[in-house]
Amino acid sequence: DAGVIQSPRHEVTEMGQEVTLRCKPISGHNSLFWYRQTMMRGLELLIYFNNNVPIDDSGMPEDRFSAKMPNASFSTLKIQPSEPRDSAVYFCASSSTRQGGPNQETQYFGPGTRLLVL
Amino acid sequence: EDQVTQSPEALRLQEGESSSLNCSYTVSGLRGLFWYRQDPGKGPEFLFTLYSAGEEKEKERLKATLTKKESFLHITAPKPEDSATYLCAVQAYNQGGKLIFGQGTELSVKP
Repeated sequence: DAGVIQSPRHEVTEMGQEVTLRCKPISGHNSLFWYRQTMMRGLELLIYFNNNVPIDDSGMPEDRFSAKMPNASFSTLKIQPSEPRDSAVYFCASSSTRQGGPNQETQYFGPGTRLLVL
Repeated sequence: EDQVTQSPEALRLQEGESSSLNCSYTVSGLRGLFWYRQDPGKGPEFLFTLYSAGEEKEKERLKATLTKKESFLHITAPKPEDSATYLCAVQAYNQGGKLIFGQGTELSVKP
Protein backbone atom coordinates (compact mmCIF):
# COMPACT_ATOMS: atom_id res chain seq x y z
CA ASP A 1 0.00 0.00 0.00
CA ALA A 2 1.22 3.49 -0.77
CA GLY A 3 1.86 5.63 2.24
CA VAL A 4 1.34 9.35 2.54
CA ILE A 5 2.68 11.09 -0.56
CA GLN A 6 4.11 14.61 -0.45
CA SER A 7 5.40 16.86 -3.19
CA PRO A 8 7.72 18.44 -3.86
CA ARG A 9 10.32 16.72 -1.71
CA HIS A 10 12.59 19.76 -1.82
CA GLU A 11 11.79 23.39 -2.53
CA VAL A 12 14.14 26.33 -2.72
CA THR A 13 12.57 29.72 -3.25
CA GLU A 14 13.24 33.39 -2.72
CA MET A 15 11.66 35.53 -0.06
CA GLY A 16 8.33 36.90 -1.16
CA GLN A 17 7.47 34.05 -3.49
CA GLU A 18 4.43 31.83 -3.11
CA VAL A 19 5.04 28.24 -2.06
CA THR A 20 2.53 25.41 -2.37
CA LEU A 21 3.07 22.07 -0.70
CA ARG A 22 0.96 19.07 -1.63
CA CYS A 23 -0.18 15.96 0.18
CA LYS A 24 -2.04 12.80 -0.72
CA PRO A 25 -3.17 10.89 2.39
CA ILE A 26 -3.40 7.13 2.72
CA SER A 27 -6.48 5.87 0.92
CA GLY A 28 -9.39 5.46 3.31
CA HIS A 29 -7.99 7.76 5.98
CA ASN A 30 -10.34 10.55 7.01
CA SER A 31 -8.03 12.79 9.05
CA LEU A 32 -5.12 14.80 7.67
CA PHE A 33 -2.50 16.76 9.57
CA TRP A 34 0.14 19.31 8.57
CA TYR A 35 3.22 19.59 10.80
CA ARG A 36 6.36 21.69 10.67
CA GLN A 37 9.71 20.50 12.05
CA THR A 38 12.61 22.77 12.98
CA MET A 39 15.65 22.26 15.16
CA MET A 40 14.51 24.93 17.58
CA ARG A 41 10.85 24.00 17.98
CA GLY A 42 10.72 20.33 16.98
CA LEU A 43 7.52 18.96 15.44
CA GLU A 44 4.56 21.30 15.67
CA LEU A 45 1.02 20.82 14.43
CA LEU A 46 -0.08 23.56 12.05
CA ILE A 47 -3.60 22.44 11.13
CA TYR A 48 -5.67 19.33 10.84
CA PHE A 49 -8.73 18.26 8.89
CA ASN A 50 -11.36 15.68 9.63
CA ASN A 51 -13.55 14.52 6.74
CA ASN A 52 -12.09 17.39 4.67
CA VAL A 53 -13.17 20.03 7.21
CA PRO A 54 -10.54 22.10 9.09
CA ILE A 55 -10.88 21.32 12.79
CA ASP A 56 -7.97 23.07 14.47
CA ASP A 57 -5.82 25.71 12.79
CA SER A 58 -4.48 27.25 15.98
CA GLY A 59 -0.94 26.25 15.02
CA MET A 60 -0.92 28.19 11.76
CA PRO A 61 1.73 30.88 12.33
CA GLU A 62 0.01 33.78 10.64
CA ASP A 63 -2.16 34.82 7.75
CA ARG A 64 0.59 34.08 5.27
CA PHE A 65 -0.20 30.39 5.77
CA SER A 66 -3.33 28.74 4.41
CA ALA A 67 -4.41 25.14 3.93
CA LYS A 68 -7.14 23.49 1.92
CA MET A 69 -8.53 20.01 1.51
CA PRO A 70 -10.84 20.03 -1.51
CA ASN A 71 -11.41 16.26 -1.39
CA ALA A 72 -10.49 13.19 0.64
CA SER A 73 -7.36 12.45 -1.39
CA PHE A 74 -5.65 15.83 -1.64
CA SER A 75 -4.54 18.74 0.52
CA THR A 76 -2.37 21.81 0.02
CA LEU A 77 -0.45 24.08 2.36
CA LYS A 78 0.31 27.47 0.88
CA ILE A 79 2.69 30.14 2.10
CA GLN A 80 2.30 33.59 0.53
CA PRO A 81 4.53 35.52 0.75
CA SER A 82 7.30 33.24 1.99
CA GLU A 83 9.97 34.43 4.43
CA PRO A 84 13.36 32.96 5.44
CA ARG A 85 11.97 32.00 8.86
CA ASP A 86 9.55 29.65 7.10
CA SER A 87 12.48 27.39 6.19
CA ALA A 88 11.74 24.01 7.75
CA VAL A 89 10.61 20.49 6.94
CA TYR A 90 6.86 20.25 6.45
CA PHE A 91 5.21 16.91 7.09
CA CYS A 92 1.79 15.67 6.21
CA ALA A 93 0.24 12.82 8.19
CA SER A 94 -3.03 10.94 7.94
CA SER A 95 -5.08 8.70 10.17
CA SER A 96 -8.38 6.91 10.32
CA THR A 97 -10.90 7.16 13.10
CA ARG A 98 -12.07 3.74 12.03
CA GLN A 99 -8.90 1.91 13.12
CA GLY A 100 -8.64 0.42 16.61
CA GLY A 101 -11.01 2.13 19.01
CA PRO A 102 -13.16 5.08 17.98
CA ASN A 103 -10.91 7.63 19.69
CA GLN A 104 -7.47 6.23 19.15
CA GLU A 105 -6.04 7.13 15.75
CA THR A 106 -2.49 6.44 14.74
CA GLN A 107 -0.98 9.08 12.49
CA TYR A 108 1.20 7.95 9.59
CA PHE A 109 3.66 10.48 8.24
CA GLY A 110 4.83 11.27 4.75
CA PRO A 111 8.49 11.81 3.81
CA GLY A 112 8.23 15.58 4.18
CA THR A 113 8.99 18.63 2.05
CA ARG A 114 12.24 20.41 2.83
CA LEU A 115 11.67 24.11 2.26
CA LEU A 116 14.44 26.67 2.05
CA VAL A 117 13.50 30.32 1.65
CA LEU A 118 16.43 32.52 0.66
CA GLU B 1 -0.51 23.31 29.42
CA ASP B 2 0.09 19.91 27.85
CA GLN B 3 3.80 19.17 27.65
CA VAL B 4 6.21 16.37 26.71
CA THR B 5 9.85 16.20 27.80
CA GLN B 6 12.26 13.57 26.55
CA SER B 7 15.59 12.59 28.06
CA PRO B 8 18.38 12.27 27.37
CA GLU B 9 18.68 14.52 24.32
CA ALA B 10 21.33 12.21 22.91
CA LEU B 11 22.48 8.72 23.84
CA ARG B 12 25.49 6.85 22.57
CA LEU B 13 25.63 3.09 23.11
CA GLN B 14 27.87 0.26 22.13
CA GLU B 15 26.26 -2.55 20.22
CA GLY B 16 24.64 -4.89 22.74
CA GLU B 17 24.55 -2.29 25.53
CA SER B 18 20.92 -2.09 26.72
CA SER B 19 19.43 1.21 27.91
CA SER B 20 16.20 3.19 28.26
CA LEU B 21 14.81 6.43 26.88
CA ASN B 22 12.45 8.51 28.99
CA CYS B 23 9.35 10.49 28.04
CA SER B 24 7.75 12.56 30.81
CA TYR B 25 4.39 14.14 30.11
CA THR B 26 1.74 16.38 31.60
CA VAL B 27 -1.60 16.25 29.88
CA SER B 28 -5.18 16.90 30.88
CA GLY B 29 -6.64 13.49 30.16
CA LEU B 30 -4.33 11.14 28.27
CA ARG B 31 -5.97 9.61 25.23
CA GLY B 32 -2.82 7.93 23.96
CA LEU B 33 0.98 8.06 24.05
CA PHE B 34 2.82 7.39 20.81
CA TRP B 35 6.41 6.43 20.04
CA TYR B 36 7.91 7.14 16.63
CA ARG B 37 11.31 6.53 15.11
CA GLN B 38 12.76 9.11 12.71
CA ASP B 39 15.74 8.46 10.46
CA PRO B 40 17.67 11.41 8.97
CA GLY B 41 15.84 12.93 6.01
CA LYS B 42 12.71 10.86 6.55
CA GLY B 43 9.33 11.21 8.19
CA PRO B 44 8.53 9.76 11.61
CA GLU B 45 7.77 6.03 11.52
CA PHE B 46 5.15 4.72 13.93
CA LEU B 47 6.33 2.25 16.58
CA PHE B 48 3.81 1.96 19.42
CA THR B 49 0.67 3.37 20.99
CA LEU B 50 0.06 3.05 24.73
CA TYR B 51 -3.31 3.93 26.21
CA SER B 52 -3.26 3.29 29.96
CA ALA B 53 -0.85 3.05 32.87
CA GLY B 54 0.69 -0.38 33.20
CA GLU B 55 0.46 -1.16 29.52
CA GLU B 56 3.51 -2.57 27.73
CA LYS B 57 4.22 -3.24 24.06
CA GLU B 58 7.16 -4.95 22.39
CA LYS B 59 8.63 -5.03 18.92
CA GLU B 60 11.91 -6.81 18.28
CA ARG B 61 14.50 -5.17 20.58
CA LEU B 62 12.14 -2.41 21.71
CA LYS B 63 9.72 -2.39 24.62
CA ALA B 64 7.56 0.56 25.59
CA THR B 65 6.00 1.00 29.02
CA LEU B 66 3.62 3.59 30.45
CA THR B 67 2.91 5.04 33.89
CA LYS B 68 0.66 7.96 34.83
CA LYS B 69 3.53 10.41 34.42
CA GLU B 70 6.03 8.91 32.00
CA SER B 71 6.84 6.34 29.40
CA PHE B 72 10.03 4.41 28.83
CA LEU B 73 11.38 2.95 25.63
CA HIS B 74 13.68 0.10 26.57
CA ILE B 75 16.22 -1.02 24.00
CA THR B 76 17.67 -4.46 24.59
CA ALA B 77 20.97 -5.44 22.96
CA PRO B 78 20.78 -2.65 20.37
CA LYS B 79 22.31 -2.91 16.93
CA PRO B 80 23.74 -0.11 14.74
CA GLU B 81 20.54 -0.15 12.67
CA ASP B 82 18.64 1.02 15.76
CA SER B 83 20.41 4.37 15.45
CA ALA B 84 17.76 7.06 14.90
CA THR B 85 15.88 9.80 16.70
CA TYR B 86 13.06 8.47 18.86
CA LEU B 87 10.08 10.76 19.30
CA CYS B 88 7.39 10.58 21.95
CA ALA B 89 4.00 12.26 21.52
CA VAL B 90 0.80 12.52 23.55
CA GLN B 91 -2.78 12.96 22.50
CA ALA B 92 -5.29 14.46 24.94
CA TYR B 93 -9.02 13.89 25.07
CA ASN B 94 -9.79 17.61 24.81
CA GLN B 95 -7.48 18.21 21.84
CA GLY B 96 -9.09 16.12 19.15
CA GLY B 97 -6.49 14.45 16.96
CA LYS B 98 -3.64 16.80 17.89
CA LEU B 99 -0.30 15.21 18.82
CA ILE B 100 2.11 17.07 21.09
CA PHE B 101 5.68 15.93 20.47
CA GLY B 102 8.75 15.94 22.64
CA GLN B 103 12.07 17.10 21.26
CA GLY B 104 13.29 13.55 20.74
CA THR B 105 16.25 11.43 21.82
CA GLU B 106 18.98 10.93 19.25
CA LEU B 107 20.30 7.39 19.65
CA SER B 108 23.62 6.30 18.20
CA VAL B 109 24.69 2.65 18.43
CA LYS B 110 28.31 1.93 17.58
CA PRO B 111 29.49 -1.51 16.45
